[in-house]
Amino acid sequence: EPEVTQTPSHQVTQMGQEVILRCVPISNHLYFYWYRQILGQKVEFLVSFYNNEISEKSEIFDDQFSVERPDGSNFTLKIRSTKLEDSAMYFCASSGETAQRETQYFGPGTRLLVL
Amino acid sequence: GDSVTQMEGPVTLSEEAFLTINCTYTATGYPSLFWYVQYPGEGLQLLLKATKADDKGSNKGFEATYRKETTSFHLEKGSVQVSDSAVYFCALSEDPNFGNEKLTFGTGTRLTIIP
Repeated sequence: EPEVTQTPSHQVTQMGQEVILRCVPISNHLYFYWYRQILGQKVEFLVSFYNNEISEKSEIFDDQFSVERPDGSNFTLKIRSTKLEDSAMYFCASSGETAQRETQYFGPGTRLLVL
Repeated sequence: GDSVTQMEGPVTLSEEAFLTINCTYTATGYPSLFWYVQYPGEGLQLLLKATKADDKGSNKGFEATYRKETTSFHLEKGSVQVSDSAVYFCALSEDPNFGNEKLTFGTGTRLTIIP
């Protein structure tokens, strides 16, 4: 069964450093998302991406964040200058252009720890 | 804005007990409703969904009925197993035909089943 994959599974970084989180969505999907879950809190929407542009972003997704689909398979989330409060589990998700478009399939997540 | 309120956890039950996890929502339109499950160390997996009022989603013995009149989508299972131990998230997305695809999640309910 096709699945969303994410790398790395864990990342530790120093405050102020740049990190790039990588995702490979399901191959025929066209809609891509990033969510995050701070420990003990809700899963929160960050950004959605379609047709090589951001379609919606949350208040969390400020200028320190960016997303890119550099090739036909990867979808990345970049945090330019990490803060302590960016420590969280980051989930990538994708959905397809069908009648089932509302169903998002999630990757296993990247746990980011900012020290 | 949209919101999802979920039953506080953790919930501990004995094997073969009946399970209910309550979920209510607030939305401006006609959302699709979902239950996602997160097993230890894994990402979010879609458990079931319902896209319109009175629909019943079901999977792996779990059921939930979309109740517009009570704005609820309670998760039930008649006889739980140890393997059902996980965190369960209720979520909604607005009608994707209007471009609002982001998922809004509840806080999650940790379920532990003891033999």
